[in-house]
Amino acid sequence: AQSVTQLDSQVPVFEEAPVELRCNYSSSVSVYLFWYVQYPNQGLQLLLKYLSGSTLVKGINGFEAEFNKSQTSFHLRKPSVHISDTAEYFCAVSEALIQGAQKLVFGQGTRLTINP
Amino acid sequence: DAMVIQNPRYQVTQFGKPVTLSCSQTLNHNVMYWYQQKSSQAPKLLFHYYDKDFNNEADTPDNFQSRRPNTSFCFLDIRSPGLGDAAMYLCATSRSSGGFQETQYFGPGTRLLVL
Repeated sequence: AQSVTQLDSQVPVFEEAPVELRCNYSSSVSVYLFWYVQYPNQGLQLLLKYLSGSTLVKGINGFEAEFNKSQTSFHLRKPSVHISDTAEYFCAVSEALIQGAQKLVFGQGTRLTINP
Repeated sequence: DAMVIQNPRYQVTQFGKPVTLSCSQTLNHNVMYWYQQKSSQAPKLLFHYYDKDFNNEADTPDNFQSRRPNTSFCFLDIRSPGLGDAAMYLCATSRSSGGFQETQYFGPGTRLLVL
């Protein structure tokens, strides 16, 4: 079974500072990796995903992530954060189900708090 | 805009009283999923439908059932809610295009409180 570890449960950052949210995965097969964001009392919104190809993936809201196969990592970065980035961030790996459906296996989440 | 809609957003029920949560989608996706997210935890898949085919996760309690009367709608039934079933329930949809990892689109969730 695949698994995901998010190394930081909480990350406080000052506005306009850079941020990195760390994610490591465990998988013995090809992986498909995702970052989702969850604002308070809302569902999950896709930030970006890695399926194949370039290891640097750009997403919405200025976020990007780098897939590193040798380190089994998929860290999320943003060069300058805004107050509105305050949210919970989930890293996930996709596990194939029958008939082409897939199960997302999530990490425990990282709560990003942006301070003015 | 195409979307995933969940109703109600908040649901209060009594211990042991059956409750139904609903999800609808305008994306015309053939796969629908239900996830359970307990407080400060990661979402966990309960089951999914591929068209009308129901697929249960091995560790999903029998207390949880689901119905999908058509492509657009999917229901989550909790037959006898316990205090431990209080959680956010997230509905998601995706296409299934064989060999590609499609994005799952999530609804806003229904927060269930059991008294």
